[in-house]
Amino acid sequence: DVKVTQSSRYLVKRTGEKVFLECVQDMDHENMFWYRQDPGLGLRLIYFSYDVKMKEKGDIPEGYSVSREKKERFSLILESASTNQTSMYLCASSSQFSGRVFNEQFFGPGTRLTVL
Amino acid sequence: GESVGLHLPTLSVQEGDNSIINCAYSNSASDYFIWYKQESGKGPQFIIDIRSNMDKRQGQRVTVLLNKTVKHLSLQIAATQPGDSAVYFCAENISQAGTALIFGKGTTLSVSS
Repeated sequence: DVKVTQSSRYLVKRTGEKVFLECVQDMDHENMFWYRQDPGLGLRLIYFSYDVKMKEKGDIPEGYSVSREKKERFSLILESASTNQTSMYLCASSSQFSGRVFNEQFFGPGTRLTVL
Repeated sequence: GESVGLHLPTLSVQEGDNSIINCAYSNSASDYFIWYKQESGKGPQFIIDIRSNMDKRQGQRVTVLLNKTVKHLSLQIAATQPGDSAVYFCAENISQAGTALIFGKGTTLSVSS
């Protein structure tokens, strides 16, 4: 069974803290993604990765960075958390098809981050 | 800007009715489309997908229709059940651009008994 796990379901941090969100997939997928989901705005892509040590900016990368040292793990880093980064963060993975991001994405359960 | 959107943010139906959730996309180069279902407190789950060389695809109680002429996608749910209550997202992929999926904002489906 396909599985994407995220390190925390709920997280509360203070403004200025460095925050790490971890995502692990067990499907040997090449592609991994980080989204944030906010009411009325849907899912917005922060960063994605096609392969180990590779990363691409999504639509809203500002204030975030990512790390992909191993194929199964994709980390999202908030260098200095701010209140406007309070959101639901969703990780996803997909297999590569003909070298492109073509197939369905499998999502983790999400991490609800609150920044005070 | 967003290239995928849904016509209605909410849809309320009675149990047993058929539901139709609509989605418009703006990029004619999109060649892959997915519908996701997201229940409260969970991540989105795949329902059904369709590629641009098809105009209809059926699953279990669900059908996706693709009209490339008007850039319209719909999800039909037959005999809607209370367990179908969720937010439904359509998403598109432009494989030639090698980009990730682009998601619409979602439609909240409420099913009453």
